[in-house]
Amino acid sequence: AQKITQTQPGMFVQEKEAVTLDCTYDTSDQSYGLFWYKQPSSGEMIFLIYQGSYDEQNATEGRYSLNFQKARKSANLVISASQLGDSAMYFCAMRATGAGSYQLTFGKGTKLSVIP
Amino acid sequence: DAEITQSPRHKITETGRQVTLACHQTWNHNNMFWYRQDLGHGLRLIHYSYGVQDTNKGEVSDGYSVSRSNTEDLPLTLESAASSQTSVYFCASGPYDGTGNTGELFFGEGSRLTVL
Repeated sequence: AQKITQTQPGMFVQEKEAVTLDCTYDTSDQSYGLFWYKQPSSGEMIFLIYQGSYDEQNATEGRYSLNFQKARKSANLVISASQLGDSAMYFCAMRATGAGSYQLTFGKGTKLSVIP
Repeated sequence: DAEITQSPRHKITETGRQVTLACHQTWNHNNMFWYRQDLGHGLRLIHYSYGVQDTNKGEVSDGYSVSRSNTEDLPLTLESAASSQTSVYFCASGPYDGTGNTGELFFGEGSRLTVL
């Protein structure tokens, strides 16, 4: 079984500052993938970034980077230079890789508010 | 452009009625999923399918059923709606087969169901 824990129900960040959203996970799988999704107030789920458990480099996508610490089982999302449009719910998720297990397990989310 | 659509987007029903939420994707993805989103719980998996005629129970499947008669559609049925099933429902699809791509899921826009 897999479990995702997001311990920050809500976060505030000043515009143009960087912010880190925490995510820890628990799994017995040796190979797995970690994801972050953004959900703005309009409700759609937007894929942000992916990290494979065997990837040696931390994933980056524009202003998003994933701080992956395998030994600590953490996969924190770092947003640099926050913008007002970054205000949203953010969900961490994971899936075992390999045949037969394709569903994502989600954390409870963190609500990020960017202050002008 | 390929897409995933849900209908209806909003529905109000009464306790005990049968309700069906439709999900249609044009990506030709084998894998399709239904999640429900509730405050404080994140997204929880209801049912999923890895192909035509394949259906599987997720974490919170009681009171729900799905069927997969073709690749494009995975309707979610609430046999006898209960107030506890008031929620936002998300359908998702993905091409992941255990190899190659990252396997992120593509989500529909959500269906808000209220059971009175």
